[in-house]
Amino acid sequence: GAVVSQHPSRVICKSGTSVKIECRSLDFQATTMFWYRQFPKQSLMLMATSNEGSKATYEQGVEKDKFLINHASLTLSTLTVTSAHPEDSSFYICSARSIGSSYNEQFFGPGTRLTVL
Amino acid sequence: SQQGEEDPQALSIQEGENATMNCSYKTSINNLQWYRQNSGRGLVHLILIRSNEREKHSGRLRVTLDTSKKSSSLLITASRAADTASYFCATDKNTGTASKLTFGTGTRLQVTL
Repeated sequence: GAVVSQHPSRVICKSGTSVKIECRSLDFQATTMFWYRQFPKQSLMLMATSNEGSKATYEQGVEKDKFLINHASLTLSTLTVTSAHPEDSSFYICSARSIGSSYNEQFFGPGTRLTVL
Repeated sequence: SQQGEEDPQALSIQEGENATMNCSYKTSINNLQWYRQNSGRGLVHLILIRSNEREKHSGRLRVTLDTSKKSSSLLITASRAADTASYFCATDKNTGTASKLTFGTGTRLQVTL
């Protein structure tokens, strides 16, 4: 089946630094990737939709200058959390939508646990 | 918020019993999907049911959809300890390239031996 990887799986950083998270589709091409955020024991909240070669579409309430998204190729999207603060600590999950899927199926990465000290 | 509600929030059963989780949503949909998430891990797609379908089966899973009530249920039969996880429903109200998922609040299932 389709595999999506995320790197790193865990990251701890100091407040004020920036952190980049990579999302890769390993065996398929994805024109669209999605970035979600999940707080402990809560559901996934969509942050933004990332389209290859164009600007990301952010959900209401998500700061685009805070969460920079780059989708440079059909297999890679990156999320950069700029000037991270403790309240940004969360589990970040990406998904990739397979081209040609009959219902635009999304495949999810394993997630990245971000802890900001 | 467009987020759906799931019920119950937590469910604890013994191995061999059936587990039923319910999901309610707010808008009309194209399809509804169920996902499983082990603690601290990514999501695994379980099953998709289209808006014109009423019931679907996959192994020990049975999903129903009632679009008039805007609700769905997931039944896991003959549960196993390995079924312990969080289960989320996700609705997709759009089609094509505009498709995106809205997740429910989730049910945490604990299956004990």
